[in-house]
Amino acid sequence: QKEVEQNSGPLSVPEGAIASLNCTYSDRGSQSFFWYRQYSGKSPELIMFIYSNGDKEDGRFTAQLNKASQYVSLLIRDSQPSDSATYLCAVKSNTGKLIFGQGTTLQVKP
Amino acid sequence: KAGVTQTPRYLIKTRGQQVTLSCSPISGHRSVSWYQQTPGQGLQFLFEYFSETQRNKGNFPGRFSGRQFSNSRSEMNVSTLELGDSALYLCASSGRASGPYNEQFFGPGTRLTVL
Repeated sequence: QKEVEQNSGPLSVPEGAIASLNCTYSDRGSQSFFWYRQYSGKSPELIMFIYSNGDKEDGRFTAQLNKASQYVSLLIRDSQPSDSATYLCAVKSNTGKLIFGQGTTLQVKP
Repeated sequence: KAGVTQTPRYLIKTRGQQVTLSCSPISGHRSVSWYQQTPGQGLQFLFEYFSETQRNKGNFPGRFSGRQFSNSRSEMNVSTLELGDSALYLCASSGRASGPYNEQFFGPGTRLTVL
């Protein structure tokens, strides 16, 4: 079992729709969770982080964390073609290492 | 504030050579982490430094090493390069001490090609 799992996609949504990206993790002791966006040929850019169960909203982005289910998700409302990128879920494990999922490719079609 | 800088941006080496990559963190940040990104393995953690001390290490062979200087700048070295070392090497800095609540910000990366 991989430590951090994401569906590789591609996830295709029409412009203006809600994109839902999911991530599961295996280390029950993990305390912090991050979402990065990576455009092709660029480095990852931090877009959200969440430490407590529940929802955290920042503009069009909402991160959701459920520690009991070991599940974290990212919702992107009113998706735009410029949101087309790979979204990386990262989990700070009990060992202190930041472990990344393989990423989900999002395609937003005009 | 200037972001994380990495030099060089691109590098071509041959098998058996060694390489040194450099990273300057965001001003005021004292924690630096290094990652290797490949299409097959994704982003993998190499090591983390804080105040010149290695705080954590990933599962890479001893050919991969790093250090951090008193001004928080960091270098990583790969000796006896192999073809499989071809990757994007990313440096990330954080303003907090090593721990669960330190958001990391990435530099542009160094693209290493081993021929």
